[in-house]
Amino acid sequence: GQNIDQPTEMTATEGAIVQINCTYQTSGFNGLFWYQQHAGEAPTFLSYNVLDGLEEKGRFSSFLSRSKGYSYLLLKELQMKDSASYLCACMDSNYQLIWGAGTKLIIKP
Amino acid sequence: DVKVTQSSRYLVKRTGEKVFLECVQDMDHENMFWYRQDPGLGLRLIYFSYDVKMKEKGDIPEGYSVSREKKERFSLILESASTNQTSMYLCASSPIVPENSPLHFGNGTRLTVT
Repeated sequence: GQNIDQPTEMTATEGAIVQINCTYQTSGFNGLFWYQQHAGEAPTFLSYNVLDGLEEKGRFSSFLSRSKGYSYLLLKELQMKDSASYLCACMDSNYQLIWGAGTKLIIKP
Repeated sequence: DVKVTQSSRYLVKRTGEKVFLECVQDMDHENMFWYRQDPGLGLRLIYFSYDVKMKEKGDIPEGYSVSREKKERFSLILESASTNQTSMYLCASSPIVPENSPLHFGNGTRLTVT
C-alpha cells in the first residue's frame, strides 16, 4: 500500500535549526511536496523535490533521496512564526497526491 | 496571486440536513479538489474535477457529491449530513499542466454536524 510517515510533533528553540523527516512508500514517484499550515489556515506550498539532493530557499531547505524513500525539511534560524504544521505529500505514478498526517512544530523562546 | 475562496469558515448543521460547501478560484485552473482534514490523519481526497461538468471520486466519496457547472466553481454536497462528517473541509485548485503543479488551498470550512 501507499504510505507517508512523519513525526506527529516536534519542539525546537527560537534561533535553532530543526529537521522534519518524511519517509514514503508509493506506487511510482513524481515528486515530493512540503506544505506549511498555520493553525486554522490553508496549507501553503513550501517546496517540491523530484531529483535527489538539496533544494534551498532562504531559511528553508528540502532534501530528497529517492533510493531511500526519504525526505527532510530543514528550517534554520527558527522564528516564532514558524510554529505550524508541516505536511509532506508524494505524487504517485498517476499524479495523485498521498499525504502524511503532518508534523506539528512548536517553537519555544 | 491565486485566490481560492470558500464561502463559509464555520458551519453548524443538524444530522440529516443537506449541506452545500462552495469554492471559487480566480486563476482559471482546470483542476479542483475537495479534501477533508481530521486530526492525526493526512488530507483525504473526497472528489476532484479536471474540467467543467467532470468529476472523479477520490478516496472517501461516500456520503458526498459534487457539482462543477462553471470552471471557477466547485461545490461539495453532503446529501444527508451525519456526525461523522464533522471535519475541516479544504478546497484546492491547480493548473492541469504541468502535472506536478502545487495545489492552492482555500482557508477551509470547519463543519460541525450535531
